[in-house]
Amino acid sequence: AQRVTQPEKLLSVFKGAPVELKCNYSYSGSPELFWYVQYSRQRLQLLLRHISRESIKGFTADLNKGETSFHLKKPFAQEEDSAMYYCAPDMDTGRRALTFGSGTRLQVQP
Amino acid sequence: SQTIHQWPATLVQPVGSPLSLECTVEGTSNPNLYWYRQAAGRGLQLLFYSVGIGQISSEVPQNLSASRPQDRQFILSSKKLLLSDSGFYLCAWSVLKEINTGELFFGEGSRLTVL
Repeated sequence: AQRVTQPEKLLSVFKGAPVELKCNYSYSGSPELFWYVQYSRQRLQLLLRHISRESIKGFTADLNKGETSFHLKKPFAQEEDSAMYYCAPDMDTGRRALTFGSGTRLQVQP
Repeated sequence: SQTIHQWPATLVQPVGSPLSLECTVEGTSNPNLYWYRQAAGRGLQLLFYSVGIGQISSEVPQNLSASRPQDRQFILSSKKLLLSDSGFYLCAWSVLKEINTGELFFGEGSRLTVL
């Protein structure tokens, strides 16, 4: 079965520090990979997708096929980055649904 | 533009009572529709998804059921709620694709408390 692992439930950093939210998946194919974010009192929304290779709000995510990882990174955290982050690989298994990781809560302290 | 509405936003129900959460999507046709449950420390659990009217796939055996009576309407139900049904329920939609799932668009969620 396909699995998605976000090993950290909580990540607490100070403002200006680098951030790396880890995500590992188990899938033999080449998935499209998403990161979703949920800010306080807002709906869950897409932050970025691997295929677009873009940087959103200073965040980037690199696919490492060898390690089957898709970690989310930002060089300098801001307080407004505090939120819940979910990794979701889009795996072509015939099942038209995303499997999400358990999520990592990022707390950026002033 | 597409929008997704979900209601009620908050619900407090006694154990053994029925449940109906409703979700509608506007501005698109033939969407995939989803119900997820978000629980603290457990992430997002997929409950049901639907690729068309009357087509429901269940992911987890449970006390809940789902129906899709119209193309853009998705309903989550229970005949008798359990305490363990408490949680935050999210409806979502995606564009129907031949392969993969694609981006999901989420509703604002419904918080259910079973007492």
